[in-house]
Order: sequence, then structure tokens, then C-alpha cells
Amino acid sequence: VQMTQSPSYLAASPGESVSISCKASKSISNNLAWYQEKPGKANKLLIHSGSTLQSGTPSRFSGSGSGTDFTLTIRSLESEDFAVYYCQQYNEYPLTFGSGTKLEIK
Amino acid sequence: QVTLKESGPGILQPSQTLSLTCSFSGFLLSASSVGVGWIRQPSGKGLEWLATIGWEDVKHYNPSLKSRLTISKDTSNNQVFLKITSVDTADTGTYYCAHRNPPGVMDAWGQGASVTVSS
Repeated sequence: VQMTQSPSYLAASPGESVSISCKASKSISNNLAWYQEKPGKANKLLIHSGSTLQSGTPSRFSGSGSGTDFTLTIRSLESEDFAVYYCQQYNEYPLTFGSGTKLEIK
Repeated sequence: QVTLKESGPGILQPSQTLSLTCSFSGFLLSASSVGVGWIRQPSGKGLEWLATIGWEDVKHYNPSLKSRLTISKDTSNNQVFLKITSVDTADTGTYYCAHRNPPGVMDAWGQGASVTVSS
């Protein structure tokens, strides 16, 4: 399953809201996870099952979608949110990731 | 607290075999539904899933590298291993292991081990 993530780059200011899109090449039900990558830190699972927040994920993060179209939304951006975000499908093997979205401070 | 740490040779030459070890704590690989996966990331690029081994010893491999990959586990010593044969420069990157639960979801990651393939 090919995962197409957009945009690849996003610039925003603290306090703003942003959305990242992830599209699957075929239906993956809600078997989608979102991860955050930050330099010097272990990758962090934010959301699984399309919209279920992992324990410890702030409530300003939300996930939506099912089938082929998914969205990660971050409301009221905080400085710690500027990072790279990846989607990943786990509906079938091989597991596949989106190409990533780099969220930078404007 | 689940922790994972990858270790490897750092540098190796083309055609050699890459051997990686994932040492973990905070969970038992004998527990139902638990697994450990390996994911890699070429420098400046995205993530590529390589292989996963489950508590029941079921193994899944990325077909694009399957003939070169072997994943195994030592449950009693809390370790998972990955071997990649016949490496070349395209295998250069950072290699991560991750705790998998539920199936397919990597809910805890190691910091990664850097691997460089160079002659």
C-alpha cells in the first residue's frame, strides 16, 4: 500500500492550527498511525487506529479519516510541536510509511 | 517503562553482512500480541519498515529486501537481532528497533544505530 503524505513542508506560527494529509493507495480501514520525529529523541507514536490518541499525546492533536483519506490536525501549535510527522499504514504487510511532513516555525 | 537500544558495527564494507542487536526492557517478548520491529532511515530521507518478529515467533519481512533479511529473537535475554546480507552503500542510514503493540503499531522506539557502508 503506497502512502502519499502532503505537504512535505509546512511553515506555521505558534498558536496556529495545521493539518497534514495522508492518502492510501487502497482502503486500509482505520489502520493508520501517526508518528512524530524530533532530533535527538526517539520517534513518538501520537495516534493509532486513525483517531485514537496514544497515552501522553496532548489533546491539541487529533486524527481523522478512514478508508483511504486521513488527516492529522494540530490545534494551537506549541514550540515543541515543530518536528517531522509520518503516517504509517498497518492494514497489511509490508508496513508502509508516508514520506513525512516537516513542520517548521514561520 | 519500555526502553529499546540498538547496537551495530557502525561501519562495514560492501558485500559484508550487517548484524544488528536490539536490547530491550520493560516488556516480555513472550507476552501475547507483543512484537519487535526494525525500521531504517537513510540520511535525510523517510522511514522504511524492514521486518517484525512476534511473540509467537511469526516473522514478517519487507519483500523488497526479503532475501537479504533474517530476524530472530532471544526471549530469555530480551534481545532481537536483524541480519542483512550483501550490504551496499544504499544500506547506509539509521536503523531503529521498536516495540510493536497492537500488531503493526510501533508504540516505543529506540534512539537508532547509525550504519555506514563504505569501501
